[in-house]
Amino acid sequence: QQQVKQSPQSLIVQKGGISIINCAYENTAFDYFPWYQQFPGKGPALLIAIRPDVSEKKEGRFTISFNKSAKQFSLHIMDSQPGDSATYFCAGRLDSSYKLIFGSGTRLLVRP
Amino acid sequence: DTGVSQDPRHKITKRGQNVTFRCDPISEHNRLYWYRQTLGQGPEFLTYFQNEAQLEKSRLLSDRFSAERPKGSFSTLEIQRTEQGDSAMYLCASSSTQDPRKVGYTFGSGTRLTVV
Repeated sequence: QQQVKQSPQSLIVQKGGISIINCAYENTAFDYFPWYQQFPGKGPALLIAIRPDVSEKKEGRFTISFNKSAKQFSLHIMDSQPGDSATYFCAGRLDSSYKLIFGSGTRLLVRP
Repeated sequence: DTGVSQDPRHKITKRGQNVTFRCDPISEHNRLYWYRQTLGQGPEFLTYFQNEAQLEKSRLLSDRFSAERPKGSFSTLEIQRTEQGDSAMYLCASSSTQDPRKVGYTFGSGTRLTVV
């Protein structure tokens, strides 16, 4: 029940295109849903996050869409750039401990 | 403040040896977390501290693993009698309960352990 399912496992997008990564969850104890970006040899870095009472959040080229009834959320990267090539993880935060349950990750490659 | 620091960055050890990793969190953060990440997977929760108290341990943390956070500052993660299955990236993160709007905590760059 704690699982967060993420898809696709990998994604190739042309420069300037839109990258879309999807996640689904079961645990209703999650109170926050962050997305992390990770480059090889580095720790995950917070990209953007959303609360379940909000349907959309946008920060620059990054947008989270959240569907509470379906227990699904997605990350959209507009105007994708080669520098966005990284692994992206969605997560759910447990409201008491702030423990994060991560998805399995999506490797994004943006071709020039 | 330079963020969360982890030491060493890489560790190669022989099976059966003990290893210890260190994490220095952001100074004003009272919570500290340890995660383990294997290749191609998302980080998995191991344990966390609030100040010096260890509040939760994952079932992933066998008896060979022990973590401490003396005086609520830096933390150490020790693995005794290492096994090849312990090979992974060990990530530390910190956060502050005084600022709950900071949903995501800050991760360090991790310690990559290779057991040969």
